Amino acid sequence: DGGITQSPKYLFRKEGQNVTLSCEQNLNHDAMYWYRQDPGQGLRLIYYSQIVNDFQKGDIAEGYSVSREKKESFPLTVTSAQKNPTAFYLCASPNLSGNTIYFGEGSWLTVV
Amino acid sequence: AQTVTQSQPEMSVQEAETVTLSCTYDTSESDYYLFWYKQPPSRQMILVIRQEAYKQQNATENRFSVNFQKAAKSFSLKISDSQLGDAAMYFCAYRASYNNNDMRFGAGTRLTVKP
Repeated sequence: DGGITQSPKYLFRKEGQNVTLSCEQNLNHDAMYWYRQDPGQGLRLIYYSQIVNDFQKGDIAEGYSVSREKKESFPLTVTSAQKNPTAFYLCASPNLSGNTIYFGEGSWLTVV
Repeated sequence: AQTVTQSQPEMSVQEAETVTLSCTYDTSESDYYLFWYKQPPSRQMILVIRQEAYKQQNATENRFSVNFQKAAKSFSLKISDSQLGDAAMYFCAYRASYNNNDMRFGAGTRLTVKP
């Protein structure tokens, strides 16, 4: 079945560490998105990529970095510059026509 | 930038009753899609209903229906015969057709269903 796979589901980070969240899709979609969701809040856009080797900052990109070296992969790195990284992270990908948005199951990141 | 606004942070409904969740959006596009997503405690995003902007007829999926007012840029969700399993966070989303730059979500409405 085609879909989006995020890993790990749960991740703990120590202060000052960089961590990378994986997002893989086998839908052959060009566009991929990363969102952050804080408890009881909506989705805030971190980064998005329209095509391989291209990505754009979203509303809250500071402290995060991404790469898009392959069409199927869009990893998100939470750097030590992100002061409050504890949150739920969702990866999403719409199809070309826009009539369907696929989501991963999300990753929980906690700073310890 | 296009925005999606959900003005009701929380809503409550009695089991078996009807509730309407509001959503407004701003866009200069003429061709787009609107969605309602349900997010239960598992955090999985579940598509509830979808509306194509070029269709005048309101979308319906079983107990879920929308009131799409294109000129007013309004897209409300009506849940009929509410069930305990409907309790969740509901997000309104906008996606411009054929434009990968433009996909937005509202802040969400937390729906509580009282037995």
